[in-house]
Amino acid sequence: DAKTTQPPSMDCAEGRAANLPCNHSTISGNEYVYWYRQIHSQGPQYIIHGLKNNETNEMASLIITEDRKSSTLILPHATLRDTAVYYCIVRVSATTDSWGKLQFGAGTQVVVTP
Amino acid sequence: NAGVTQTPKFQVLKTGQSMTLQCAQDMNHEYMSWYRQDPGMGLRLIHYSVGAGITDQGEVPNGYNVSRSTTEDFPLRLLSAAPSQTSVYFCASSYSRTAYEQYFGPGTRLTVT
Repeated sequence: DAKTTQPPSMDCAEGRAANLPCNHSTISGNEYVYWYRQIHSQGPQYIIHGLKNNETNEMASLIITEDRKSSTLILPHATLRDTAVYYCIVRVSATTDSWGKLQFGAGTQVVVTP
Repeated sequence: NAGVTQTPKFQVLKTGQSMTLQCAQDMNHEYMSWYRQDPGMGLRLIHYSVGAGITDQGEVPNGYNVSRSTTEDFPLRLLSAAPSQTSVYFCASSYSRTAYEQYFGPGTRLTVT
């Protein structure tokens, strides 16, 4: 699986949009981009995923560049409960034997302040 | 649904002791896995299972055994605990190998002295 690069930390003001970048310059055509987050002392939580189109759900939006070498997770209106470590993960498609495995890096510690 | 449950929440072991970390899910998920998380690091995959009776190794399997006799349960066994196994352990499940979303349990914090 392709490696990802994220900033170690970032701050965001409550109520503002949080834009979390992720670089995955070695991504392959059959690899998806996933985002999970981990609130302190809890298990990780799935946020969103995408292949090449932008995606949106009730939690966040995912913007993937046209060359797929980077992406941005957008939390539209950050709240204090969004303070967590956010993981960007690149994962092969469901057609391979290694499907199911998630490779977590160090992630980005996001702190939302009042 | 209770989702993914793990017991115990905390455990202290002496070097050389053995124990089993329990993981259960009530969502009829086929795919289950175990991760460990060390301070300041991401999660690393220990073992996983794609269904009852089928298990495989992840990236850090040494010192751990697993079995999957039922769909619901996926216990992780530490054969002879070592201080290097001090970590937080997370169990995860998804309804199939091809599912996009994995559900994680609350974790077991293990200390080996």
